[in-house]
Amino acid sequence: DAGVTQSPTHLIKTRGQQVTLRCSPKSGHDTVSWYQQALGQGPQFIFQYYEEEERQRGNFPDRFSGHQFPNYSSELNVNALLLGDSALYLCASSYRTSGLSYEQYFGPGTRLTVT
Amino acid sequence: EDKVVQSPLSLVVHEGDTVTLNCSYEVTNFRSLLWYKQEKKAPTFLFMLTSSGIEKKSGRLSSILDKKELFSILNITATQTGDSAIYLCAVSAGNQFYFGTGTSLTVIP
Repeated sequence: DAGVTQSPTHLIKTRGQQVTLRCSPKSGHDTVSWYQQALGQGPQFIFQYYEEEERQRGNFPDRFSGHQFPNYSSELNVNALLLGDSALYLCASSYRTSGLSYEQYFGPGTRLTVT
Repeated sequence: EDKVVQSPLSLVVHEGDTVTLNCSYEVTNFRSLLWYKQEKKAPTFLFMLTSSGIEKKSGRLSSILDKKELFSILNITATQTGDSAIYLCAVSAGNQFYFGTGTSLTVIP
């Protein structure tokens, strides 16, 4: 049973550039959430996708956008990169945001460094 | 503002010790509280708690939730070096998860 996968594992970009991160959810899951984890901090919620739509968004600027595909995989796009965007980006998948409690399973993350 | 606070921030113990990690929260529309273990990158799921007073147990780890006092504890008994990690507490509220900054646990042989 494949878990959550993310690509790439590491990425180095320059300020002002754009980046796309990818995530495939755990088999059977249909909901994908993205998190940013700065060094020494807990993960910060960016947004969540279900049925190919953004369902919930955290306190992140519009430079952060995403997409979910019919196969439930997802992309996170960040435009006009800033040094402060350097972090570990985690994808988590779950089954159905039905408003009830649910478990999330995390991928290994993408380490983004902005220079 | 919704927030999750974990304590202590870090802890160093010897193998065989018992540790208690704390998580308090203030959120709107609480749904559940989850504990994760993060060693290298991906946090791995430990427990999900939704009801007060019901202990969840897995081997040497156990956790309980108090929805009246808005906190949870994670206990680890007979600690081993493999327990060294960051332990994250997350609260599900609405369709978001709010994470604490974590407790860094180091177990010395």
